[in-house]
Amino acid sequence: GAGVSQSPRYKVAKRGQDVALRCDPISGHVSLFWYQQALGQGPEFLTYFQNEAQLDKSGLPSDRFFAERPEGSVSTLKIQRTQQEDSAVYLCASSLVFSGGPLNYEQYFGPGTRLTVT
Amino acid sequence: SQQGEEDPQALSIQEGENATMNCSYKTSINNLQWYRQNSGRGLVHLILIRSNEREKHSGRLRVTLDTSKKSSSLLITASRAADTASYFCATDLLYYGQNFVFGPGTRLSVLP
Repeated sequence: GAGVSQSPRYKVAKRGQDVALRCDPISGHVSLFWYQQALGQGPEFLTYFQNEAQLDKSGLPSDRFFAERPEGSVSTLKIQRTQQEDSAVYLCASSLVFSGGPLNYEQYFGPGTRLTVT
Repeated sequence: SQQGEEDPQALSIQEGENATMNCSYKTSINNLQWYRQNSGRGLVHLILIRSNEREKHSGRLRVTLDTSKKSSSLLITASRAADTASYFCATDLLYYGQNFVFGPGTRLSVLP
């Protein structure tokens, strides 16, 4: 079956530009996560949705970062006025939830969007 | 700051040898997961071990969890060149709910 997809796969933005990154989770997955991964590092949590509700956005590094999932499926991560330090791979993951919360289940990751800010 | 810390940062072994990677964490957890990441397939879930479990197996993988020492280990037996990848442990934070925290990873190279 189809996995998690992300688009675009690569994005080059000039400093100050706004960007929008899209994530299509696995159909039926309730939970959706966004992570930021710098070169040579592990993914850093950004935000989490359960259906359309954004339950945790504690990892968003500044108010330039905004995420939404209006219909509980596709999600968009928007970065306004991009800065060079925003250059990273942005990963999206989804998981099922039966009981005990989403972190009790494996997360399925998309291929990521590599953002380069020049 | 990251909850999990893998050790070693990099590991190079010959095909057929076993590889052991360790993960230490700071606060109480509900579960711990191991993931593999290579350029071809992105991040892939390997195994989940819950806080009340001590050991789990999956094929050539063996994971142990010692909650008293706040540490976990991943053993890959009879390694293959295709096992070359970065390996991450990830934990949830028991008292923080939603966060899911990855360590910096161990970069494993399996030489043919």
